[in-house]
Amino acid sequence: DVKVTQSSRYLVKRTGEKVFLECVQDMDHENMFWYRQDPGLGLRLIYFSYDVKMKEKGDIPEGYSVSREKKERFSLILESASTNQTSMYLCASSPTDGYTFGSGTRLTVV
Amino acid sequence: AQSVSQHNHHVILSEAASLELGCNYSYGGTVNLFWYVQYPGQHLQLLLKYFSGDPLVKGIKGFEAEFIKSKFSFNLRKPSVQWSDTAEYFCAVKNQGGKLIFGQGTELSVKP
Repeated sequence: DVKVTQSSRYLVKRTGEKVFLECVQDMDHENMFWYRQDPGLGLRLIYFSYDVKMKEKGDIPEGYSVSREKKERFSLILESASTNQTSMYLCASSPTDGYTFGSGTRLTVV
Repeated sequence: AQSVSQHNHHVILSEAASLELGCNYSYGGTVNLFWYVQYPGQHLQLLLKYFSGDPLVKGIKGFEAEFIKSKFSFNLRKPSVQWSDTAEYFCAVKNQGGKLIFGQGTELSVKP
């Protein structure tokens, strides 16, 4: 089974902090994605990456950046956390025909 | 912009009732279609997917979905729901650019 592991299940950070959310997959997938999940809004794509050192903006990239130095790891960075970034963050990886999601990181910014 | 719309935000059913959750998308090209489920406290799991061929797709746990190209729809169905089907259900569409776009989700509550 493909595993997508997100390093933290719950995080609480202060406004203005720099936050790193880590995601690792173990199946050598090229494609990796970061979404945020909010009630009533579903999942919204923040950034995705088709290969190492490649990144593409999703639908809501403002306030976020990403890093993909190695194929198996895709990091989401909140440069200066704000309260409106309190959310559930989901990482996914994909070959060509399906997506596997991690368990999610619930981030609270206070 | 491409979008996915799920008509029902919250559906409440009794056990053994039939289920149909609506999903419409706005992309006119070739698409891949998915339904995901998220049980309380768990991660997203794939229920079923459609890429090509028979438009009636069968997934896990007795779920099925029908792709109707002329209506841009991919509705999820189950003839008889169980209490354990209580979860949030997400429709998603992947376009040729490779992005997976999700609907807003439908919360299903099944009363025992």
